[in-house]
Amino acid sequence: GIQVEQSPPDLILQEGANSTLRCNFSDSVNNLQWFHQNPWGQLINLFYIPSGTKQNGRLSATTVATERYSLLYISSSQTTDSGVYFCAVEPSVDFNKFYFGSGTKLNVKP
Amino acid sequence: DAGVTQSPTHLIKTRGQQVTLRCSPKSGHDTVSWYQQALGQGPQFIFQYYEEEERQRGNFPDRFSGHQFPNYSSELNVNALLLGDSALYLCASSLPPGELFFGEGSRLTVL
Repeated sequence: GIQVEQSPPDLILQEGANSTLRCNFSDSVNNLQWFHQNPWGQLINLFYIPSGTKQNGRLSATTVATERYSLLYISSSQTTDSGVYFCAVEPSVDFNKFYFGSGTKLNVKP
Repeated sequence: DAGVTQSPTHLIKTRGQQVTLRCSPKSGHDTVSWYQQALGQGPQFIFQYYEEEERQRGNFPDRFSGHQFPNYSSELNVNALLLGDSALYLCASSLPPGELFFGEGSRLTVL
């Protein structure tokens, strides 16, 4: 199946710093989503972004499908941004099945 | 607009027992997917239900089975529980070919 790699695996930031999280995938995809998993385990939708660029407040994301990667930008980080960020992709040849990366664990310190 | 709801939130079972987890999709969604998330890992796809049939299945044994009802709600059943089945079980609903929305999960501990 498709391989989804996220980097870095762990990230520690001071409040106010900016960061970039990366998601690489090994095959073409129909869909791509970014999630934030809160401490209680719920996956919160951040972006549904099969291609292009989107922004939502301090967060933005870019997917370059032809080069098989997506980036999540977090600006002016806050302690509430802490948690695990997941990228999930739906392969073009494996419909209706999303594959997740191993996540980036972000810790924002006050 | 109610989101995806799952029950129970936490449960403890012993090896060999059976468990049923329940999921109600987001209003208007007709497709339900189930994922298993072991500690420290990303979620893994178990199966997807659409029009009351299993449409896609991941690499899970037959001990994992499911059902979708006419109102689009779904159940996940796991038989003959093993210690390794301890995990967070996540339900997601969607309107294909669209965005997944997840519930808060059911945390299963097998002793």
